[in-house]
Amino acid sequence: GENVEQHPSTLSVQEGDSAVIKCTYSDSASNYFPWYKQELGKGPQLIIDIRSNVGEKKDQRIAVTLNKTAKHFSLHITETQPEDSAVYFCAITPLDSSYKLIFGSGTRLLVRP
Amino acid sequence: GAGVSQTPSNKVTEKGKYVELRCDPISGHTALYWYRQSLGQGPEFLIYFQGTGAADDSGLPNDRFFAVRPEGSVSTLKIQRTERGDSAVYLCASSLGTLRNNEQFFGPGTRLTVL
Repeated sequence: GENVEQHPSTLSVQEGDSAVIKCTYSDSASNYFPWYKQELGKGPQLIIDIRSNVGEKKDQRIAVTLNKTAKHFSLHITETQPEDSAVYFCAITPLDSSYKLIFGSGTRLLVRP
Repeated sequence: GAGVSQTPSNKVTEKGKYVELRCDPISGHTALYWYRQSLGQGPEFLIYFQGTGAADDSGLPNDRFFAVRPEGSVSTLKIQRTERGDSAVYLCASSLGTLRNNEQFFGPGTRLTVL
């Protein structure tokens, strides 16, 4: 079945530095790749997504890149701030069941002031 | 506007008991999803409703789990004969559901603890 591997599991950066989280997937038919941020005691919240017809998408300090050939996509956060501290999840949707999100195992990001 | 709400926020029960978890989706969202999140893991898909019907229940772990959405809005996840391994956060999400890959909006979850 579909599988998503996410690395690293934890990431600690100094405020102002960049953070990069990477996911690899096995289902080459996937065409939608969202990233979610989950704060303690809350549900996941979509922060950015990308579809397979583009290679990169940016939204202020957040960007996502996609390499369909290599089957991996990455989240880039620049100029990190303490409020960026949270758990981040990548996800894919299988082509034959595009309503279903398959999540990675998450990355706990800590931004040190 | 109001987001997805879930009640209760926490539920502690004893092994073997029956529990019901409720989800109120965003008004107008026809698609509703249930996920289960174990500690330190990503959410895992359980079931998807389009309107009143369960379009895909392939993620339900066994026949002790059942979910309904009788009027196409509120949904209830029901777990019979709970086991300690059922302890997790149960997340509900909703989306407009009219197109593929619509954004799913998640509720805060219900933390279920089975003693």
